[in-house]
Amino acid sequence: VRLQESGPGLVKPSETVSLTCSVSGDSISSGDNYWSWIRQPPGKALEWLGYIYYSGSAFYNPSLKSRITISVDTSKNQFSLRLNSVTAADTAVYYCARQAYSYGHNLYWGQGSLVTVST
Amino acid sequence: SYELTQPPSVSVSPGQTARITCSGDKLGDKFTSWYKQEPGQSPVVVIYQDTKRPSGIPERFSASNSGNTATLTISGTQALDEADYYCQAWDSNTYVVFGGGTKLTVL
Repeated sequence: VRLQESGPGLVKPSETVSLTCSVSGDSISSGDNYWSWIRQPPGKALEWLGYIYYSGSAFYNPSLKSRITISVDTSKNQFSLRLNSVTAADTAVYYCARQAYSYGHNLYWGQGSLVTVST
Repeated sequence: SYELTQPPSVSVSPGQTARITCSGDKLGDKFTSWYKQEPGQSPVVVIYQDTKRPSGIPERFSASNSGNTATLTISGTQALDEADYYCQAWDSNTYVVFGGGTKLTVL
């Protein structure tokens, strides 16, 4: 199972971070997992952003709920993150991961994508 | 919002036992996982479902979860165990929460 994040590495303040996670070796449609976004600001802790089920049902971190959208494209075996109205505090490595439906652990992670918010 | 508290740092001598705690309200009622993260790398799960080790994780890694505290135990700690460790809690009500991370130093 492999996950690979893709998207711009530099975003201007007030704009939108858009990232896509491409999954290989597993089918998002299998229904056995959630598909997650997690981020880590430089030198800081991991922060869960949200996850989505293949059906399109999404669950978000309450602290970001007004700014975040996670979507899924089962035909491409991809899922995506949009985070709007970004500030410098949103600068982080963004990871996509596969979260087990039953026990909540993230067994497979992407390599991470650094997104810098700056003018 | 739900919070998990970990000590910022733990130090251990090679060959000794390291214990890293993770505290949260009624944490024992949730599923916990533990992740090891080396510099510049993605996290790797070392414990899931409170006590289970994924394939490939050494037996020296074990864990417990009861009451308000989960504990990761590394027996016979080796230099290659030096890393940041994060606990994670999950249930259908609070979703996913990560602890603040603990830097394990093997002196």
